[in-house]
Amino acid sequence: KQEVTQIPAALSVPEGENLVLNCSFTDSAIYNLQWFRQDPGKGLTSLLLIQSSQREQTSGRLNASLDKSSGRSTLYIAASQPGDSATYLCAVRLGRDDKIIFGKGTRLHILP
Amino acid sequence: DGGITQSPKYLFRKEGQNVTLSCEQNLNHDAMYWYRQDPGQGLRLIYYSQIVNDFQKGDIAEGYSVSREKKESFPLTVTSAQKNPTAFYLCASSTGTSSGANVLTFGAGSRLTVL
Repeated sequence: KQEVTQIPAALSVPEGENLVLNCSFTDSAIYNLQWFRQDPGKGLTSLLLIQSSQREQTSGRLNASLDKSSGRSTLYIAASQPGDSATYLCAVRLGRDDKIIFGKGTRLHILP
Repeated sequence: DGGITQSPKYLFRKEGQNVTLSCEQNLNHDAMYWYRQDPGQGLRLIYYSQIVNDFQKGDIAEGYSVSREKKESFPLTVTSAQKNPTAFYLCASSTGTSSGANVLTFGAGSRLTVL
């Protein structure tokens, strides 16, 4: 059974710092991995999607990497801002049946 | 604008009552999903559907039912058999793995409270 783990569960950093969020999964047979952002009481907003054949994707200050063989992905946020404060979730899609499994998320707080 | 519409946004239910949450998408996506989110928790998969007239149980399907009679619609019924239904429910859709980049797109969610 595929399990997705995100560490740390919560993180507070001063504004301007670079930071890394981690996501690990137990079964490397994934189709893709997607990172999301969720603000309190809201739905999820897609940040980056990495196909299983790719190593990384970039969007602005965000960079996501994927190491499928080791079951790991990281989300790198450069020059953090207070507006980056949110919960960040990763999700893996299983290729065989479109099932998508989420981690529990990392709650990020950027200190002004 | 293309997107996913969930309704109602807030819903209150008495114990023992069934309630149906609506999810409609105009993105022409084949796959649709229902997730449940509890405070401070990630998303847990309830049901998903890859095509019309077909759906599969997720990890926490007990006490829930769904239908997929139209491509655009994937309603979720929370039955009286669900022991702890108070939660935030999220609907999502994407293209299937046979086509497209498969970005998962979410609705704004429905918050169900059992009184």
